[in-house]
Amino acid sequence: DMKVTQMPRYLIKRMGENVLLECGQDMSHETMYWYRQDPGLGLQLIYISYDVDSNSEGDIPKGYRVSRKKREHFSLILDSAKTNQTSVYFCASSFQTSQNTLYFGAGTRLSVL
Amino acid sequence: GDSVTQTEGLVTLTEGLPVMLNCTYQSTYSPFLFWYVQHLNEAPKLLLKSFTDNKRPEHQGFHATLHKSSSSFHLQKSSAQLSDSALYYCALSDGNNAPRFGAGTKLSVKP
Repeated sequence: DMKVTQMPRYLIKRMGENVLLECGQDMSHETMYWYRQDPGLGLQLIYISYDVDSNSEGDIPKGYRVSRKKREHFSLILDSAKTNQTSVYFCASSFQTSQNTLYFGAGTRLSVL
Repeated sequence: GDSVTQTEGLVTLTEGLPVMLNCTYQSTYSPFLFWYVQHLNEAPKLLLKSFTDNKRPEHQGFHATLHKSSSSFHLQKSSAQLSDSALYYCALSDGNNAPRFGAGTKLSVKP
């Protein structure tokens, strides 16, 4: 069963706290992504990972970092979260990039107070 | 850089009427275009994507035609259903780059 799993689904943090969002996939996909979703802005790419320890910044990487130590896991870290990082975060994976379909997780709704 | 434009933030239709959601793009290369659909409280999922051989992709009654001359990939359906109410994203991918998404169009179909 092709699946992308995100944990946790909901998270409330205070400004300045560290945040760890985790994502796993069972399809042996090489490429994984983190997007954030905001009304009127759509899905914005934060980071892309082409494989283990092969990560590249997306369009809005400031304030975020990522870690990929195993092909099936991709983590998003917010060091000292800010209120403007309140959003819904989606992890996705694909076989490669270009014409391949993205498979999304269910999302993590993060509120930074 | 690559970009995708969806001009309508919200489209409201009566059930049975035709659907057309606009998508235009800018790309340096010959891109692949996608439509993703996101129902309320669910993950986005692929609805359809462009083919390399210019065939018209179709799925669940929706279709889209890639017009390179006008850089467009509009989504169409002949008759809207209540269950089509959702958020629709147009996306572009070229070379080895990650897909970039438009701002999304919320489709609301009313009885």
